[in-house]
Amino acid sequence: DIQMTQSPASLSASLGETVTIECRASEDIYNGLAWYQQKPGKSPQLLIYNANSLHTGVPSRFSGSGSGTQYSLKINSLQSEDVASYFCQQYYNYPLTFGSGTKLEIK
Amino acid sequence: QVTLKESGPGMLQPSKTLSLTCSFSGFSLSTSGMVVSWIRQPSGKSLEWLAAIDWDGDKYYNPSLKSRLTVSKDTSNTQVFLKITSVDIADTATYYCARTIAAIFPFDYWGQGVMVTVSS
Repeated sequence: DIQMTQSPASLSASLGETVTIECRASEDIYNGLAWYQQKPGKSPQLLIYNANSLHTGVPSRFSGSGSGTQYSLKINSLQSEDVASYFCQQYYNYPLTFGSGTKLEIK
Repeated sequence: QVTLKESGPGMLQPSKTLSLTCSFSGFSLSTSGMVVSWIRQPSGKSLEWLAAIDWDGDKYYNPSLKSRLTVSKDTSNTQVFLKITSVDIADTATYYCARTIAAIFPFDYWGQGVMVTVSS
């Protein structure tokens, strides 16, 4: 199985700041990497796919980058509605696996 | 408009079999490449992919749970089912079904989830 190591586990930032969340795969996943946002009591929503492609309707302040085993999600100009948990997921190979999640709060 | 909705028993006793249904609309599982997966999430924890079935009837399972899982679909290709045998407290979670449009693609639509509690 491909292990996904996500950091940090939690993050507190001020409105307008830029935050970055990292995800490391245990082997090369060839950009088969997605980022999801999950608000409390809701199902996850796709933000980024193929490591750096913005899903339809997602604000442009979200961006993804990386390759090989190292990937990151950046949120520019943090907004109050960005308070959520964020998960990475590899879909390069079965079994599909997720990172442990990052809980983002506003200072 | 693509929608998925999970249904299940809400609560069941340890050692029983959990049966879940994912009912969806806005797409057909007979469309080439389409896949529906089951994912679960214990409260406050991360997501765990359980199983998937594709448009061609091929099935994929998480090896850690494979012996207890059975995924299937109906002949009209509008429902997917998951059975988990011999449940215990560790199976308490919110269960989601989600769609991918190809095997090597992320989940673009998710159901709202159904909470399942295993308790005696």
